[in-house]
Amino acid sequence: AQTVTQSQPEMSVQEAETVTLSCTYDTSESNYYLFWYKQPPSRQMILVIRQEAYKQQNATENRFSVNFQKAAKSFSLKISDSQLGDTAMYFCAFLTIQGAQKLVFGQGTRLTINP
Amino acid sequence: EAQVTQNPRYLITVTGKKLTVTCSQNMNHEYMSWYRQDPGLGLRQIYYSMNVEVTDKGDVPEGYKVSRKEKRNFPLILESPSPNQTSLYFCASSFWRDNSPLHFGNGTRLTVT
Repeated sequence: AQTVTQSQPEMSVQEAETVTLSCTYDTSESNYYLFWYKQPPSRQMILVIRQEAYKQQNATENRFSVNFQKAAKSFSLKISDSQLGDTAMYFCAFLTIQGAQKLVFGQGTRLTINP
Repeated sequence: EAQVTQNPRYLITVTGKKLTVTCSQNMNHEYMSWYRQDPGLGLRQIYYSMNVEVTDKGDVPEGYKVSRKEKRNFPLILESPSPNQTSLYFCASSFWRDNSPLHFGNGTRLTVT
């Protein structure tokens, strides 16, 4: 079974700083997808960025980028020029395409951006 | 507007009193799923459905039931709620194809006393 681990329960940085959230996963599959979701205090689950395992190029979405290391099974999220609105819980997630389409989530990292 | 609608947003109930959390999507998605979110555990899948009349267990199905009689609706039923089912619940849907992003509802905060 796939597992996703986020080893940083909480992080806190100053506005405009760069912050990196870590995520590791375990799988025997060669093809899969990885995601980062943001959950602000409103509880809404917002897709931040996604990465296909067969693509070597790291995904980027404006201030958000990932460092995908397939051999190490690592998928970290970098937030550049952090803003107060980035304060949220962040979840790393793994999507298996073997059998049922199932999203497996990590435990989450609570990120606080301080003014 | 494309969305997944969950109701109610908040629910407080007592042990043993049957309840249903509704979920409806207007995007013609084949796939729908229920998750529960607990501190330190992230989101865990309860049940999922690949299409009408096709449902299967996720990782934590005990104490829950689902049905998929229509494509747009996927209610979550707790026949006899217990305090350990106090949680934040999310319904999600997507097309049944690789990399189709999951669309989430706004969550239901359930408290069982």
